[in-house]
Amino acid sequence: AQTVTQSQPEMSVQEAETVTLSCTYDTSESDYYLFWYKQPPSRQMILVIRQEAYKQQNATENRFSVNFQKAAKSFSLKISDSQLGDAAMYFCAYRSGTASKLTFGTGTRLQVTL
Amino acid sequence: AAGVIQSPRHLIKEKRETATLKCYPIPRHDTVYWYQQGPGQDPQFLISFYEKMQSDKGSIPDRFSAQQFSDYHSELNMSSLELGDSALYFCASSIPGQGLSDTQYFGPGTRLTVL
Repeated sequence: AQTVTQSQPEMSVQEAETVTLSCTYDTSESDYYLFWYKQPPSRQMILVIRQEAYKQQNATENRFSVNFQKAAKSFSLKISDSQLGDAAMYFCAYRSGTASKLTFGTGTRLQVTL
Repeated sequence: AAGVIQSPRHLIKEKRETATLKCYPIPRHDTVYWYQQGPGQDPQFLISFYEKMQSDKGSIPDRFSAQQFSDYHSELNMSSLELGDSALYFCASSIPGQGLSDTQYFGPGTRLTVL
């Protein structure tokens, strides 16, 4: 079974600074997808960024980028120029290429300070 | 842009009662997923449907059942409710097998409280 591990329960970053959230996963599959979702206090699950395992190029979405290290099974999220609105719980998620369900990590709570 | 719609947004039930949660996917999305998120926990996959057929099953209790209808909306039926069923229930939708389109987009959730 696939597992997703987020080893940082909480992180803090100052406004305008950069922060990196860690995620590792365990799988024996070669075809899969990785995601970062953001869950603000409203509890809405918002897609931040997505990465296909077969793509070597790291995904980027505005201030959000990932460092995908397939051999190390690592998928970290970098948030640049942090804003107060980035404060939320961030979940790393894995989806097999042959199944529909998402498997989530336990989440990292990000605080953004002035 | 249209999003996933869930109703009701909040629901309070007594133990042993039944509850029905509804999900309306994004237009043209034909796949629906249900997740349960307990307090302080990550979302856990319950069940999914593609073209009105069950496509995958997770840790869904036997007391729960779900289906997808011809208009692609889905309902999660929960019977003999227990205190431990209190959680946020998410529905997500996607179009499978179409690159970025198979990303799951989540609704706002239904908060179920069992007293």
